[in-house]
Amino acid sequence: QQQVKQSPQSLIVQKGGISIINCAYENTAFDYFPWYQQFPGKGPALLIAIRPDVSEKKEGRFTISFNKSAKQFSLHIMDSQPGDSATYFCAAYGGATNKLIFGTGTLLAVQP
Amino acid sequence: DAGITQSPRHKVTETGTPVTLRCHQTENHRYMYWYRQDPGHGLRLIHYSYGVKDTDKGEVSDGYSVSRSKTEDFLLTLESATSSQTSVYFCAISAQEGIQYFGAGTRLSVL
Repeated sequence: QQQVKQSPQSLIVQKGGISIINCAYENTAFDYFPWYQQFPGKGPALLIAIRPDVSEKKEGRFTISFNKSAKQFSLHIMDSQPGDSATYFCAAYGGATNKLIFGTGTLLAVQP
Repeated sequence: DAGITQSPRHKVTETGTPVTLRCHQTENHRYMYWYRQDPGHGLRLIHYSYGVKDTDKGEVSDGYSVSRSKTEDFLLTLESATSSQTSVYFCAISAQEGIQYFGAGTRLSVL
């Protein structure tokens, strides 16, 4: 019940296309859902986050869509660029654990 | 990297030797975390701290111990390193629940 399932494991998108990464969770006590971006040789960096009281949050080309009833959330990268090539992790926080639970990551490659 | 320094950045050691990784922060954040990152597993929590001398176990704590004698330093020790502990280790800090900032990582190889 503490898991966060992330898909796909890897993704190849053409420049200018839309990248979509999906995550699902079971624990309804989670109340904060961040996405992290990680470039090779670097630590993960907070990209965007959402709380379950809203269905969508947009920051520039990055959008989180949240479906509370389905217990799913997704990251959309519009007009994907080669510089977006990185590993993306979804995560969930809240409940009794007070810990971030991470998905297994998605390796995104944006081809020029 | 949000005022977080991990040392060393790379280390190669032999099975059975003790290893200590250091995380140093300049942000005065209350919470500090140690994760390991392995292909196919994402980031898994080893131990975390919610204050000086206050620590607790994460999901993969076996074979690891931690200490926090000062707010700014969080040490991760492998008492007797094994090949299964070859990994990339990340330290993270947090002042606000759920929002964590990560260091650049330590790549550890146990031969």
